[in-house]
Amino acid sequence: GAVVSQHPSRVICKSGTSVKIECRSLDFQATTMFWYRQFPKQSLMLMATSNEGSKATYEQGVEKDKFLINHASLTLSTLTVTSAHPEDSSFYICSARQPMNTEAFFGQGTRLTVV
Amino acid sequence: AQSVAQPEDQVNVAEGNPLTVKCTYSVSGNPYLFWYVQYPNRGLQFLLKYITGDNLVKGSYGFEAEFNKSQTSFHLKKPSALVSDSALYFCAVRPNDYKLSFGAGTTVTVRA
Repeated sequence: GAVVSQHPSRVICKSGTSVKIECRSLDFQATTMFWYRQFPKQSLMLMATSNEGSKATYEQGVEKDKFLINHASLTLSTLTVTSAHPEDSSFYICSARQPMNTEAFFGQGTRLTVV
Repeated sequence: AQSVAQPEDQVNVAEGNPLTVKCTYSVSGNPYLFWYVQYPNRGLQFLLKYITGDNLVKGSYGFEAEFNKSQTSFHLKKPSALVSDSALYFCAVRPNDYKLSFGAGTTVTVRA
């Protein structure tokens, strides 16, 4: 199947700083990428849908100014957690879908810890 | 609104025994149905999908799932479980608006 690479896999940052997470589709072009947040032993919560060349669509309750999403190319989307706080600590996962395909492929996830 | 239910938080089986992970859904129209597996601190790996056609779908690692429209179910099965199948399994549904909705997840533990 298609490969989606997410980086970094783990990051620890101080409160008040910003963290950028990258999501790359390695062997296909992804016009749409998705960002999820997952709390321990819980399901994935969709945060936003990222479309190449346009603004991301955020789910209800997700702060767009806090979670900045950029989809500058067909193979790269970034999520920046701005002014991070301990409550932002979580597992963040991206996924990408090929335009004519039905299933989504997921990155390895990023464990963010804000101290 | 669509929803996906995985009624069991945990499933425990002995190695070599059949494994079933249940999933029911509630969505209008003809949805796409998926199963994913997640290992600790990793992303999700695609197992199989149902789009249309044969109700029995075969996927990766010996898993299969049966689509039952009348019962709105899509249970995941494996005839003979392995210890390495121990993981977190997610059922997901995608109606026409392309957004995946996930179930709460079922933790599978296969004991040696």
